[in-house]
Amino acid sequence: ETGVTQTPRHLVMGMTNKKSLKCEQHLGHNAMYWYKQSAKKPLELMFVYNFKEQTENNSVPSRFSPECPNSSHLFLHLHTLQPEDSALYLCASSQITVPGELFFGEGSRLTVL
Amino acid sequence: EDQVTQSPEALRLQEGESSSLNCSYTVSGLRGLFWYRQDPGKGPEFLFTLYSAGEEKEKERLKATLTKKESFLHITAPKPEDSATYLCAVQADFGNEKLTFGTGTRLTIIP
Repeated sequence: ETGVTQTPRHLVMGMTNKKSLKCEQHLGHNAMYWYKQSAKKPLELMFVYNFKEQTENNSVPSRFSPECPNSSHLFLHLHTLQPEDSALYLCASSQITVPGELFFGEGSRLTVL
Repeated sequence: EDQVTQSPEALRLQEGESSSLNCSYTVSGLRGLFWYRQDPGKGPEFLFTLYSAGEEKEKERLKATLTKKESFLHITAPKPEDSATYLCAVQADFGNEKLTFGTGTRLTIIP
């Protein structure tokens, strides 16, 4: 595996379900990110982890819960989501020294019914 | 508040027809401006970083330029494989790792 891999690629869940998105990076980076991409809207930063420590929580509702067990893995735990949370969730990684040069995974397309 | 505006929203060009995409920005102090390419169903792919006004970067048929208020992505003699959405993002001087993205320009190159 190379680059940034995300699973699952597609997820459909009900409002009462609990699910998790997984991200793994094989680039040796020390920062990982979750972004949300909705139609006609800019990419929106959700969470940032540097060296496994969360350094940014961009006012994200508590129904989204991130976890970063090491610098190569990142999870996004989802529970009691709303239909408006349906979007493409993108994981990215970078070196801390160049946080603007992000390497993205292909995303997890989430649909909340 | 940092802002990024990209224009046009969509652009259709004939193969070989050169053009430019615009990214206007407002930040407290620019730490970096970044261009990405995004193909349908995929995550964005990093293209360029620009740090200061007057700087230029080139890659194949693409050239990015930067002024104090905007950046241009020039596409010379484009090919159908250049079709994608091009995203611009800025990082503010006194911010953290947060990037502010524009909504992108969807470029279609017609054979």
